[in-house]
Amino acid sequence: GENVEQHPSTLSVQEGDSAVIKCTYSDSASNYFPWYKQELGKGPQLIIDIRSNVGEKKDQRIAVTLNKTAKHFSLHITETQPEDSAVYFCAASLGSNSGYALNFGKGTSLLVTP
Amino acid sequence: KAGVTQTPRYLIKTRGQQVTLSCSPISGHRSVSWYQQTPGQGLQFLFEYFSETQRNKGNFPGRFSGRQFSNSRSEMNVSTLELGDSALYLCASLEGPGRNSPLHFGNGTRLTVT
Repeated sequence: GENVEQHPSTLSVQEGDSAVIKCTYSDSASNYFPWYKQELGKGPQLIIDIRSNVGEKKDQRIAVTLNKTAKHFSLHITETQPEDSAVYFCAASLGSNSGYALNFGKGTSLLVTP
Repeated sequence: KAGVTQTPRYLIKTRGQQVTLSCSPISGHRSVSWYQQTPGQGLQFLFEYFSETQRNKGNFPGRFSGRQFSNSRSEMNVSTLELGDSALYLCASLEGPGRNSPLHFGNGTRLTVT
């Protein structure tokens, strides 16, 4: 079936460094790609999203890039801080003719050490 | 605005029982989705409701069902519980009408089946 691959599964960086998480998807009809941050005991929180008609989007220290031809999209976090430590999920919209659903990657556990 | 509210936060049930989980979407949001989160399978789509109608359904057995009320509140039911149903069940509401709209999650209901 359609799936989203996410790498790496764990990532450890020092405070101030950059972190990059990469995802690939297989459904050609996917046209919406959100990223979520999940902290312990909480639900996933939307941090940034990108639509298929855009190649890059930035929001302060967070940026997302999309390559539709290669079916790749990536999350970039610059100047990481300890509070960025969490599990990050990428997702791609399922190209269903009806309704709405997201297909999620398996997550990246990011640890930012002071 | 209040976020997506899920009740209860925790549930412990035994095999063979049934369970009902409740979700109140963000005010004004008309679409409600349910996802199951487990360490092994990650986040998996269960179903989506819009205007009291199931609009999309994931690949789960018929023991999993849901409904939406006229005030957009939703419930999901799992009958004949199995040990493998232990998971975090997440409800999410859709911000806009289209498939490119942001999805906002609640903090989930942690179900443990013994």
